[in-house]
Amino acid sequence: NAGVTQTPKFQVLKTGQSMTLQCAQDMNHNSMYWYRQDPGMGLRLIYYSASEGTTDKGEVPNGYNVSRLNKREFSLRLESAAPSQTSVYFCASSELYPQETQYFGPGTRLLVL
Amino acid sequence: DAKTTQPTSMDCAEGRAANLPCNHSTISGNEYVYWYRQIHSQGPQYIIHGLKNNETNEMASLIITEDRKSSTLILPHATLRDTAVYYCIVRASGNTGKLIFGQGTTLQVKP
Repeated sequence: NAGVTQTPKFQVLKTGQSMTLQCAQDMNHNSMYWYRQDPGMGLRLIYYSASEGTTDKGEVPNGYNVSRLNKREFSLRLESAAPSQTSVYFCASSELYPQETQYFGPGTRLLVL
Repeated sequence: DAKTTQPTSMDCAEGRAANLPCNHSTISGNEYVYWYRQIHSQGPQYIIHGLKNNETNEMASLIITEDRKSSTLILPHATLRDTAVYYCIVRASGNTGKLIFGQGTTLQVKP
């Protein structure tokens, strides 16, 4: 039982490049979330998916798109990366939405030059 | 959601109990107290939550005062691996599910 997994662990991009961050959970959870954490800051919600087939914007959605591929997988795409998107990205899941008991992945560290 | 106040940092000797306080004087009747921790830039880890009764699980105990304006997270026998930033979050069940992480308390467990 791996919980929440994220790939890649670390990525360097040049400004304007695109990439997709992958997230998968094996806990049969209905809801999934994407957060970003900047140095010395708390987490901020980018997008969430309350259930399979639905996605909604969080606090800081600009510059990102998401896809809930199936119940297990929730991806985050940066279409044209900017230095301001340098951050650590965490994916999380919970059994139901809304629910504050969320289980987090190990994070993806993204550096945009 | 109620605002929380936590000390910036605390030290604890290995093997001793770590008591982490949190003030939430504006908490409403339907708001829960949640505790998470983040170890060295890993993903946050859920620890425990409660409404008004004290709670205990395999990781920790949560003591909530009778007026619910403050709470204490207790790690009964702290180890070096408990060194982390601990976040106290107050949330009403049924809200957006967005977790608001403040600055938290950095707990340093020392040998």
